[in-house]
Amino acid sequence: DGGITQSPKYLFRKEGQNVTLSCEQNLNHDAMYWYRQDPGQGLRLIYYSQIVNDFQKGDIAEGYSVSREKKESFPLTVTSAQKNPTAFYLCASSSTGATEAFFGQGTRLTVV
Amino acid sequence: AQSVSQHNHHVILSEAASLELGCNYSYGGTVNLFWYVQYPGQHLQLLLKYFSGDPLVKGIKGFEAEFIKSKFSFNLRKPSVQWSDTAEYFCAVNRDTGRRALTFGSGTRLQVQP
Repeated sequence: DGGITQSPKYLFRKEGQNVTLSCEQNLNHDAMYWYRQDPGQGLRLIYYSQIVNDFQKGDIAEGYSVSREKKESFPLTVTSAQKNPTAFYLCASSSTGATEAFFGQGTRLTVV
Repeated sequence: AQSVSQHNHHVILSEAASLELGCNYSYGGTVNLFWYVQYPGQHLQLLLKYFSGDPLVKGIKGFEAEFIKSKFSFNLRKPSVQWSDTAEYFCAVNRDTGRRALTFGSGTRLQVQP
């Protein structure tokens, strides 16, 4: 089955710890994205990558980091510098030609 | 930078009622427009999209949207909603060139009562 896999579905961390969220796609898409979803705020773009070994900051990149060493993988690290990390995180991908994005099931991160 | 506004945050309808959700965007260049839906516990799915051509776009599950360029709007409509349409709906845009990442509106939560 082709798609985007995010793991884990739920994640709990203590304040001050870094945590890495996984995103893997087998759709052979060049572009990948990370969004953060908060109630009443829609989806806000954290980072995106249009090609392997290259990525760009989105609208709310502070406190986050990413890497894109392989086409199919785009992990997101939520660092201790992120002031309000508890949220629902969505990964997406899209091909070069088409512009619609396909989404994973999301990871709900709770920092206590 | 582009932005998207969805003015209806929470809509409650009875089954068989008609639906119209507003979406306005701000960007002077060429854009592509999308409506996504998020059913409870499920991932975000594409309802419909507009790239060019006929401004009236039909999507899945009986939804349609009309692109009105002069009003920078892309409103979502459905003539008769069902209980299964209960979900959160997001309008999104992206540019034809440059940053292709989608910019989303804040979402509209639709609750359909049986």
